[in-house]
Amino acid sequence: AQSVTQLGSHVSVSEGALVLLRCNYSSSVPPYLFWYVQYPNQGLQLLLKYTTGATLVKGINGFEAEFKKSETSFHLTKPSAHMSDAAEYFCAVSDGGYQKVTFGIGTKLQVIP
Amino acid sequence: DAGVIQSPRHEVTEMGQEVTLRCKPISGHDYLFWYRQTMMRGLELLIYFNNNVPIDDSGMPEDRFSAKMPNASFSTLKIQPSEPRDSAVYFCASNPWRGTNEQFFGPGTRLTVL
Repeated sequence: AQSVTQLGSHVSVSEGALVLLRCNYSSSVPPYLFWYVQYPNQGLQLLLKYTTGATLVKGINGFEAEFKKSETSFHLTKPSAHMSDAAEYFCAVSDGGYQKVTFGIGTKLQVIP
Repeated sequence: DAGVIQSPRHEVTEMGQEVTLRCKPISGHDYLFWYRQTMMRGLELLIYFNNNVPIDDSGMPEDRFSAKMPNASFSTLKIQPSEPRDSAVYFCASNPWRGTNEQFFGPGTRLTVL
């Protein structure tokens, strides 16, 4: 069975500050890990993904995440927040060859000017 | 590529009525997923198809919910009869099966049952 825990349903940062959204996962096999972003009244869009290889993954809009197997974590970071980053972010996990993806509850990011 | 297309974008209906949500996946994608999103429960997988065949419907909440995929370019999610607790945003997503399980989401249908 696979599961995802996102720590903090709401996160507020000042514009220009570091963004850190936390995600821990549970998986019985080497996982595929994803971060998706959802803007108001829109569907989810892929930010980045980890499958195999390099554990530091870079995505769109300056976001990156690091897969840490020992900590079962896949935290999302961005060095400097922009107002346009305000959205809801979902961490997700998949058990490799299986198509079923399990999503976390989501973290709403607020950027304060 | 037009992306995943869902219709209608908004649906308001009265309790007891039948509701049909529609989805057109991205051409060439082998997998199609239906999700429901609510404030209380987050994003829940309802059912998914592979090559038009339902693979896992364990997330379908009740017999009032049914989903079909008559061909590779069309799927429906039907609720009959609808209830106020069915109010949610319903998303369709598709996956090209390139081995990474990345899903492409439609814009969603916001359903309100009065």
